[in-house]
Formats: sequence, structure tokens, C-alpha cells
Amino acid sequence: AQSVTQPDIHITVSEGASLELRCNYSYGATPYLFWYVQSPGQGLQLLLKYFSGDTLVQGIKGFEAEFKRSQSSFNLRKPSVHWSDAAEYFCAVGNNAGNNRKLIWGLGTSLAVNP
Amino acid sequence: EAQVTQNPRYLITVTGKKLTVTCSQNMNHEYMSWYRQDPGLGLRQIYYSMNVEVTDKGDVPEGYKVSRKEKRNFPLILESPSPNQTSLYFCASWPLAGGGIQYFGPGTRLLVL
Repeated sequence: AQSVTQPDIHITVSEGASLELRCNYSYGATPYLFWYVQSPGQGLQLLLKYFSGDTLVQGIKGFEAEFKRSQSSFNLRKPSVHWSDAAEYFCAVGNNAGNNRKLIWGLGTSLAVNP
Repeated sequence: EAQVTQNPRYLITVTGKKLTVTCSQNMNHEYMSWYRQDPGLGLRQIYYSMNVEVTDKGDVPEGYKVSRKEKRNFPLILESPSPNQTSLYFCASWPLAGGGIQYFGPGTRLLVL
């Protein structure tokens, strides 16, 4: 079955510390991978995506993610977290094929940032 | 500005009183979808549409209706809302080509008493 697992429901880091949010997926076809961020009271905004090519992708707001096919992972990283990064982060997978072309979503990781 | 808009943003209603949440996109996207977001359950797709007059069920369609009479609009209709439909609703759109990147509206928070 297709699924996305974000093992950490909630993470707290100190401002300026590094961050890694984990994402593991189970998907039969070659996946397209996404990270979205949801700030309080806001909709979801795309942080970055992986379709093919270089497995290390750069996104907005200083985030990056690395696709590791052997581990079925697409972890999100940021070297130095800012207080404004406090939000909910969602990993999603799809393949842009078929009628629905829907994304399979993880349950999200809530990030809190201590000053 | 390219965007997906939803109205209303907040809504309190009572059981059984029909309501409609509107969604509009100005990006000429073929695909549109409605999701609900509930604590611990993540985002679940309610309905989606591939183009005008083409809609289909998502994962949790019970109690909802949709229509796609124009490409830009995709209203969500709750004909007889119940308390278990209290949730945060998101509309999204995406183009046929473009790798499946979805663009989201700001959300509609619905409370059914």
C-alpha cells in the first residue's frame, strides 16, 4: 500500500540549531516527493520538490532535502532554524499519473522553536 | 497574483443547515481538489476534479457534494452538515503538466453545532 510516514509528531529545537525532519515512503512507482509547510492559520506552501536528477534539492527559506532511494526517505533539513520556522511540516508523494494524480500525505510534524 | 481563494474563512452553523464553501483559482489549472484536515488524521481528499464537468470521489466523500461548472470554481456543498464534519477544509488546484505541485487556498474552518 502507498503510504508516507513522518515518525516525529512533534519536534522542539532552539533557534539557531540545525533541524532534520524525517519522511519515509512506500510507493510502487517512481515517486515525486514534496515538502509543504503550514504556518499557523495559513494554507500549505510548497517548500521543495524532487522529481528526478540530483538527489539533494534546495527549497525556499533555506531548506533542503535529500532523496535516498535505498532508504525510501526524503528528509528535510535546515542548518540554522529561525523562530519563524515554527509550523507544521508535511511530506507528500505522488507520481503525476492516472486520473486523480493525488498526493499521498504524511500526518505532519509540528515544529516548535525555542528562543 | 496567482492564488486560490476560499470563502468563507470561518463558519459556524447548525446541524442540517445546508452550506456552500466556495473555491476559486486564477491560474487556469485543470485539477482542483478539496481536503479536510483533522488532528491526527492529516489531509484527506474529499473530492477532486480533472476539468470542467469531470469530478470524482476522493477518500472521504460521504456527506459532501461538488460541482465544476467553470474551470476556475469548485464549490464544496454540505447539504445536511453534521458535527463530524467540523474540520479545517482546504481547496487546492494544480495544472495537468507541472509535476503535480498543488497550490492551496488559506483554508475554511467549519464548526457544526
